[in-house]
Amino acid sequence: AQTVTQSQPEMSVQEAETVTLSCTYDTSESDYYLFWYKQPPSRQMILVIRQEAYKQQNATENRFSVNFQKAAKSFSLKISDSQLGDAAMYFCAYRSSAGGTSYGKLTFGQGTILTVHP
Amino acid sequence: GAGVSQSPRYKVAKRGQDVALRCDPISGHVSLFWYQQALGQGPEFLTYFQNEAQLDKSGLPSDRFFAERPEGSVSTLKIQRTQQEDSAVYLCASSPQGSAGSYNEQFFGPGTRLTVL
Repeated sequence: AQTVTQSQPEMSVQEAETVTLSCTYDTSESDYYLFWYKQPPSRQMILVIRQEAYKQQNATENRFSVNFQKAAKSFSLKISDSQLGDAAMYFCAYRSSAGGTSYGKLTFGQGTILTVHP
Repeated sequence: GAGVSQSPRYKVAKRGQDVALRCDPISGHVSLFWYQQALGQGPEFLTYFQNEAQLDKSGLPSDRFFAERPEGSVSTLKIQRTQQEDSAVYLCASSPQGSAGSYNEQFFGPGTRLTVL
């Protein structure tokens, strides 16, 4: 079974600065997807960024980028030019790319609470 | 168009009561997932539907938990004889296609916060 670990329960950053959230995972599969989700107090889970394991290039979405290290099974999220609206709980998640009995379900880490200071 | 909706948003139940939580997925979405999120934790998978077929219920924690999606659209998660450990946020997510192989994004609802006293 796959596991996802986020070792930083809380992180803080000053507005306009850069912060990196860490995530490691364990899997025996070679092809999979990794995600970062944002969950504000409203509880709505919002997809921030996605990475396909077969792609060597790190994904970027505006101020959000990842550092994907497949051999190390590491998947960190970098938020540049942090904004007050970035404050939320962030979850790292894994999805098998194979069909079969995984059915596309997501395996989440424990989450990191991000605080942004003005 | 409308996103995934869930009702009620909040539910308080006395221990031993039965509860029913509703999920309205995005219209036309084939796949539907239920997750349980304990306070301060990440969501954990409960069950998966492809249309009306429940293909995976491996995450349901006990036989007190039951889910259905009889017409392949709205889904209901039912918890019988609720216990305090059932207190959590229950999230529903839908995605456009079936799960085989290719990626398709899961769209989440706002969740139902269940508190069992």
